[in-house]
Amino acid sequence: NAGVTQTPKFQVLKTGQSMTLQCAQDMNHNSMYWYRQDPGMGLRLIYYSASEGTTDKGEVPNGYNVSRLNKREFSLRLESAAPSQTSVYFCAVRQGTLNTEAFFGQGTRLTVV
Amino acid sequence: ELKVEQNPLFLSMQEGKNYTIYCNYSTTSDRLYWYRQDPGKSLESLFVLLSNGAVKQEGRLMASLDTKARLSTLHITAAVHDLSATYFCAVDEKGAQKLVFGQGTRLTINP
Repeated sequence: NAGVTQTPKFQVLKTGQSMTLQCAQDMNHNSMYWYRQDPGMGLRLIYYSASEGTTDKGEVPNGYNVSRLNKREFSLRLESAAPSQTSVYFCAVRQGTLNTEAFFGQGTRLTVV
Repeated sequence: ELKVEQNPLFLSMQEGKNYTIYCNYSTTSDRLYWYRQDPGKSLESLFVLLSNGAVKQEGRLMASLDTKARLSTLHITAAVHDLSATYFCAVDEKGAQKLVFGQGTRLTINP
């Protein structure tokens, strides 16, 4: 029972390259989230998916796209990476009913040079 | 737009002392969460507060929620080194599944 799995764990990109961060869950939860964490900024919400088939923008969506592939998987795509996207990215899941806590993956550390 | 602010952002304290971390939020909500993050690790859930006046305690940590003041507190009693970590509060935007975090409070407890 892995919970929330993110791949890759580490990645170095050159400016302008593209990549997709993957998130998969085996918790059968409905809601999935992508956050980025930068020093002094806390966690900022990029996109979220309240349920399969829906996605919504969070606080900092520019430069990112997402796909809720199915109930288990939620991917985050950087089409043309920029140094400002250097960050640690966390995926989180919630059951989907209100009043429930979120469970987090182990994070992806992305460096754009 | 929902904003969540924590203070202080950095806190260095001695073992055995008491202290409080504050979490303010800008719009109506009655659901607030506290998380802990150790360096280089992911976040783990500490408390879920779901109504005005809710109080939860786990060991030396106690969290409370005042929805009228839009304020939650995380109180640390007789701090020990193992509590050194970064603590985050998070708030649900009312009526939505959008979960917004504060900036985090980095807590260092010195022997």
